[in-house]
Amino acid sequence: RKEVEQDPGPFNVPEGATVAFNCTYSNSASQSFFWYRQDCRKEPKLLMSVYSSGNEDGRFTAQLNRASQYISLLIRDSKLSDSATYLCVVNGEKNRGNKLVFGAGTILRVKS
Amino acid sequence: DAGITQSPRHKVTETGTPVTLRCHQTENHRYMYWYRQDPGHGLRLIHYSYGVKDTDKGEVSDGYSVSRSKTEDFLLTLESATSSQTSVYFCAISSTVYGYTFGSGTRLTVV
Repeated sequence: RKEVEQDPGPFNVPEGATVAFNCTYSNSASQSFFWYRQDCRKEPKLLMSVYSSGNEDGRFTAQLNRASQYISLLIRDSKLSDSATYLCVVNGEKNRGNKLVFGAGTILRVKS
Repeated sequence: DAGITQSPRHKVTETGTPVTLRCHQTENHRYMYWYRQDPGHGLRLIHYSYGVKDTDKGEVSDGYSVSRSKTEDFLLTLESATSSQTSVYFCAISSTVYGYTFGSGTRLTVV
């Protein structure tokens, strides 16, 4: 079983739609959680951190459910520019390397 | 935004030859990482460093070695390149638990 699992998609949505991605992680000791965005043939970039209380950044809302070990990302009012691959990322238990584990990503395509 | 740079950006090499990729940072971050990214696998950790001359293996380290003689440079060497090492290689840096910053990547093709 992969340490971080995501639905690869693609999710094809019209502009203005609301779309949600989920991811599950296997290490119950994980302490830090993130969503990264990766555009085609580009490097991943941090979209937002995910906190236990949930957090929002404009049209983006991230939630964490520790009991069920899943993380979600909600995008409201989708824009064409939101088209990208979204990576769910988890930090393992404390270690000297500050290592992160990346999901394989969920592809989002927003169409006009 | 270029606190981290990778070189070369593209490389084509022949099977059996050694290849070295370079990652250079200007952020003075402690941690540096090399990942490879392949379709269907996502980003997989090859090696990482938690300080000068302090390195350790990741999940896919076979066939790769690294060196970090200065805080700012982290080198990845493919000792004898194989076609299975054709991939996109990303370097990343981190100073805290709050996420990584990635370089622009190196596209390596082994023929």
